[in-house]
Amino acid sequence: AAGVIQSPRHLIKEKRETATLKCYPIPRHDTVYWYQQGPGQDPQFLISFYEKMQSDKGSIPDRFSAQQFSDYHSELNMSSLELGDSALYFCASNTKYHRDAPGYTFGSGTRLTVV
Amino acid sequence: AQSVSQHNHHVILSEAASLELGCNYSYGGTVNLFWYVQYPGQHLQLLLKYFSGDPLVKGIKGFEAEFIKSKFSFNLRKPSVQWSDTAEYFCAVKTGANNLFFGTGTRLTVIP
Repeated sequence: AAGVIQSPRHLIKEKRETATLKCYPIPRHDTVYWYQQGPGQDPQFLISFYEKMQSDKGSIPDRFSAQQFSDYHSELNMSSLELGDSALYFCASNTKYHRDAPGYTFGSGTRLTVV
Repeated sequence: AQSVSQHNHHVILSEAASLELGCNYSYGGTVNLFWYVQYPGQHLQLLLKYFSGDPLVKGIKGFEAEFIKSKFSFNLRKPSVQWSDTAEYFCAVKTGANNLFFGTGTRLTVIP
């Protein structure tokens, strides 16, 4: 079965550079969530989108922005990167139209290292 | 504010020992509850989930969890752990806003 696809798997950037992470949800999933998991930390919710509109916002820095496109894939844009941005960035998708038990399917994550 | 507490930060067990990982949450409304597992170097995978009905939920790989509403708890259990269960375990709660709130995770190390 198709899963949530994230690219790239690994990314190394220098401080003050920009990075773009991509997330392709499961087909027919209309909702995308972004999470950041720092080394040894639990995943923290960043932002979510439903039907191409931002639906909720968590602890996402102002240097980051995200959007969801017409094909429901989402991109997380990160500017002025800092060492502390080094983390594993997860994307998850689901659909609000599950009548039974909607669950979350996570992608394998993008590991960002800022040097 | 919603919060999820996992009191055990690191649990070390021998193979065949029984496991119970605690999870408590603070939210007065309707919640959906999840346990995720993260094997070393891998992404989060769903172990089990509770939405309604029988408070005893069975998941994959022999794991189960019991929702006790009066205690705001959703503890994870497994009767006999294996070395391959070595991983980080996250409890998560979804509230009406449809976002997941994760606990800080419990690292399980199973010694062969």
